[in-house]
Amino acid sequence: QVQLVESGGGVVQPGRSLRLSCAVSGFSFSSFGMFWVRQAPGKGLEWVALISDDGSSKYYADSVKGRFAVSRDNSKNTLYLQMNRLRSDDTAVYFCARDSNALDVWGQGTTVTVSS
Amino acid sequence: QSVLTQSPSVSAAPGQKVTISCSGSTSNIENNYVSWYQQLPGTAPKLLIYDNNRRPSGIPDRFSGSKSGTSAALGITGLQTGDEGDYYCGTWDHSLSAWVFGGGTRLTVL
Repeated sequence: QVQLVESGGGVVQPGRSLRLSCAVSGFSFSSFGMFWVRQAPGKGLEWVALISDDGSSKYYADSVKGRFAVSRDNSKNTLYLQMNRLRSDDTAVYFCARDSNALDVWGQGTTVTVSS
Repeated sequence: QSVLTQSPSVSAAPGQKVTISCSGSTSNIENNYVSWYQQLPGTAPKLLIYDNNRRPSGIPDRFSGSKSGTSAALGITGLQTGDEGDYYCGTWDHSLSAWVFGGGTRLTVL
């Protein structure tokens, strides 16, 4: 079945870096764009990044532009989010989701806590 | 402040109907497909409606979507206590080159 599994979350100090992964199975990963979406504690959904199926196009929310980088390895069926210069307001659950002109399949999320 | 505007909360009795609205602009809702997401407590979001009014396989026809101009709406009939949660609209904004979500509407089934 179609499955997305995020990993890599944890507690990190402000200013440090973290890389999230999203392992995909059950569909042709290289045929779909992919999203990262986050949700701060008690808050709504916030789009973070979008990458095209071949990785040639990338889009970022203003709140993470210049600090986060989305990438993918189609040979490994894996999506990544490199997060640099982390701030306390990056604390959230991070979800990956498949792009079918809507976010049609979601992972369960991985929690990132930025705290000293 | 979200680009798409949703009412913060809505409530109704079991068996009743509610409509959740999502207001945007010509750069997002009016010229792009709208999708709706349900997030039950403690779970990941789930796609309810895509392409303005289409339901993915497995979504009951109690859920419906519509769009007119710069606004979209999600209708839920035959409310059940299991429908309690947060509902979000989303679409692409071509001026921002960004995906945008509404702020979310919390549904309470009294």
